[in-house]
Amino acid sequence: KAGVTQTPRYLIKTRGQQVTLSCSPISGHRSVSWYQQTPGQGLQFLFEYFSETQRNKGNFPGRFSGRQFSNSRSEMNVSTLELGDSALYLCASSLGQGPPNQPQHFGDGTRLSIL
Amino acid sequence: GQQLNQSPQSMFIQEGEDVSMNCTSSSIFNTWLWYKQEPGEGPVLLIALYKAGELTSNGRLTAQFGITRKDSFLNISASIPSDVGIYFCAGRLNDMRFGAGTRLTVKP
Repeated sequence: KAGVTQTPRYLIKTRGQQVTLSCSPISGHRSVSWYQQTPGQGLQFLFEYFSETQRNKGNFPGRFSGRQFSNSRSEMNVSTLELGDSALYLCASSLGQGPPNQPQHFGDGTRLSIL
Repeated sequence: GQQLNQSPQSMFIQEGEDVSMNCTSSSIFNTWLWYKQEPGEGPVLLIALYKAGELTSNGRLTAQFGITRKDSFLNISASIPSDVGIYFCAGRLNDMRFGAGTRLTVKP
């Protein structure tokens, strides 16, 4: 069974640009969550999507946005990039329904570097 | 930042030793999860716990969901070099919160 796939694996951008990251969840999983991981702040929750609707949102500015498609694939977008946005962005998928709090399975992330 | 207090921050142990790490929170959770992350990879789920008091094993790993629902521990028995990595606890109620991680080094 294929795991969570994130593309691209690495990305270099400059300040002020925008970026779109993609996540394909495990087949059958309908919930997709996004996290930012940095050495200083650790893993921080960005948002969760289920059935194309944002179900939960973390404490990040509006420059960070996401969406989910009908096939459960998800994208996140960061506009007006800042140096502090340099991080590993992780996507995690879960069934999203049925027994509560199904565990999330992570992809290997997209490492975003801002110059 | 994290809302879970994970300790210790790092551990340097000899191969064959047992390891114990824990997480505490001021909030209750209805799920506790333990993940391991190696360089260049995403976190990999080790153990999921769903009920207060639950004790679950996965090979040499054992984890428990604290009865107060505010803490969890992970034990690794008879450590081996491939246990090296960063171990994260995570608690889930509505969203998921992570500990800062325990960096484990195993000396052969």
